[in-house]
Amino acid sequence: GDSVTQMEGPVTLSEEAFLTINCTYTATGYPSLFWYVQYPGEGLQLLLKATKADDKGSNKGFEATYRKETTSFHLEKGSVQVSDSAVYFCALPTGNQFYFGTGTSLTVIP
Amino acid sequence: GAGVSQSPRYKVAKRGQDVALRCDPISGHVSLFWYQQALGQGPEFLTYFQNEAQLDKSGLPSDRFFAERPEGSVSTLKIQRTQQEDSAVYLCASSVLVGQNTDTQYFGPGTRLTVL
Repeated sequence: GDSVTQMEGPVTLSEEAFLTINCTYTATGYPSLFWYVQYPGEGLQLLLKATKADDKGSNKGFEATYRKETTSFHLEKGSVQVSDSAVYFCALPTGNQFYFGTGTSLTVIP
Repeated sequence: GAGVSQSPRYKVAKRGQDVALRCDPISGHVSLFWYQQALGQGPEFLTYFQNEAQLDKSGLPSDRFFAERPEGSVSTLKIQRTQQEDSAVYLCASSVLVGQNTDTQYFGPGTRLTVL
């Protein structure tokens, strides 16, 4: 069945470091792919999405490219900030629901 | 309101009690979803409404869980005879479109349920 596999955390980085959080998926067809972010005490917020192969989603300095050949949608940011500390979820819509990864907790230290 | 709202934000129940969790979706959104998020895990699908019709309840873990959206707007998730394993954050989400896998789901802040 459809699923997403997300890099295990937690991840701790120094401010201005480069971030990569890996996400791979298994799906029939060519679904859209999403990254959501959950800040402490808050609900999930859409970070970015891509609707077809080779699309690049971007927002707030984060980017992810939908790669059909490797079934991946890795999240990257060139220079993280303390305010990026949160839990990041890769998500795959299918049918009437989203499948979410287990989440990767990111802590950025000054 | 501007976003999805949920109430209460926190709920403590004794085992065996019934609870009701409320979701107010974004006005005009046709689709409404409930998810359960255990500690340290991603959200897991519970049920889906298109307007007032409950089209998918495949994720409800037992017949103690019941959801409704009688007028196609506000939704209530009810859990009867709560058990400790029901302790989780319950998330509500809404989206504009129907059955479109490009459509963003907008999430509320969640209700954290603790069953003692």
